[in-house]
Amino acid sequence: EVQLVESGGGLVQPGRSLRLSCEASGFTFDDYAMHWVRQAPGKGLEWVSGISWNSGSIGYADSVKGRFTISRDNAKNSLYLQMNSLRAEDTALYYCAKGGLVVVIGYFDLWGRGTLVTVSS
Amino acid sequence: DIQMTQSPSTLSASVGDRVTITCRASQSISSWLAWYQQKPGKAPKLLIYEASSLESGVPSRFSGSGSGTEFTLTISSLQPDDFATYYCQQYNTYSRFGQGTKVEIK
Repeated sequence: EVQLVESGGGLVQPGRSLRLSCEASGFTFDDYAMHWVRQAPGKGLEWVSGISWNSGSIGYADSVKGRFTISRDNAKNSLYLQMNSLRAEDTALYYCAKGGLVVVIGYFDLWGRGTLVTVSS
Repeated sequence: DIQMTQSPSTLSASVGDRVTITCRASQSISSWLAWYQQKPGKAPKLLIYEASSLESGVPSRFSGSGSGTEFTLTISSLQPDDFATYYCQQYNTYSRFGQGTKVEIK
């Protein structure tokens, strides 16, 4: 079955760190770019970060640049998001999304169910 | 940064109606635009990419058009399953979504 399964979300205090994971199955993982997209409660979609098939090209939204780090392990069919210096405004459902192309710029043709990150003291 | 503006924010329509949603980019994005449908509690679903290409498995009542800075998503005959929120996304420069258009029952 073609799917993406996120994990690692939870309740964390402001200023702390969290690492999200996404495990892919059912497609050739290293043929595609991968992304993280988030959605704050009751709000719209916000692209967070993307990584090309070979990790050669990486991009971040201005809102997370310098605090979040995206990475992938093609041998494990896995995508990661290391989130440091978390803020209340980072509270959201974080989706893992498969890019439609190998390059980091593209649309998203497969989404996971998301993992909830809540930043609160 | 490229800003994406959708209109309207909310749209009330009846089953069978023809529905059009507009998305405007703050600068030209060529045809690098996608449309998504999201239902409550669910992940978004890709409908259209490259402005007018229909994703596999998406009903043909959905269509997209436009280039440059102005784009439209059209649902030719609204079905009960189509009541949802729709987002446009530019991918000319990394990625940014519009604020969404909620299609609700009239």
